[in-house]
Amino acid sequence: KAGVTQTPRYLIKTRGQQVTLSCSPISGHRSVSWYQQTPGQGLQFLFEYFSETQRNKGNFPGRFSGRQFSNSRSEMNVSTLELGDSALYLCASSLEYGGLVDGYTFGSGTRLTVV
Amino acid sequence: QKEVEQDPGPLSVPEGAIVSLNCTYSNSAFQYFMWYRQYSRKGPELLMYTYSSGNKEDGRFTAQVDKSSKYISLFIRDSQPSDSATYLCAMSRIHSNYQLIWGAGTKLIIKP
Repeated sequence: KAGVTQTPRYLIKTRGQQVTLSCSPISGHRSVSWYQQTPGQGLQFLFEYFSETQRNKGNFPGRFSGRQFSNSRSEMNVSTLELGDSALYLCASSLEYGGLVDGYTFGSGTRLTVV
Repeated sequence: QKEVEQDPGPLSVPEGAIVSLNCTYSNSAFQYFMWYRQYSRKGPELLMYTYSSGNKEDGRFTAQVDKSSKYISLFIRDSQPSDSATYLCAMSRIHSNYQLIWGAGTKLIIKP
């Protein structure tokens, strides 16, 4: 079966711009989570959506936002980009929120570079 | 103090050795424990998922949870160069809406 698909794979943006990243979960998965991964901070949780509702939110500023559509696809948006936003952004999907049934399946991520 | 502590390594062992990877945690409310493997330039991949205490085995991998010591382990038998990756532990509890708390990851190197 198809895995979690994230687009684009690579992105270069200028400080102050905004960016939208997309995630298509595994078919049948209703939960989508977003993470930021950097060498210094490791995996940092951004938010989790389940059935179009945000269930959990991490400690990120309001510049980071997300949404989930009725087909479970999700987008995350970062406005007013800063140099420190350069990171690998990972999307993960699961059958139920919290990954309780079978854990999370991750995509390969979007590598965002802010210059 | 972080809720989940994991030695970042790197841990370098010869091919064929038994590898032991560990995480300690501070919150006794954690109930769900996971181990993920992440290769360079890829997303993490779920290896093992356990609930509460005990052992779980899957092929060359064994996950152990010791809730009394707040300690979880992942053992890899007959290690192969293809096992070289970063291994991350993660855990969650009911009262935080099951939000996963992650370790920093241990970089493992298997030398041929």
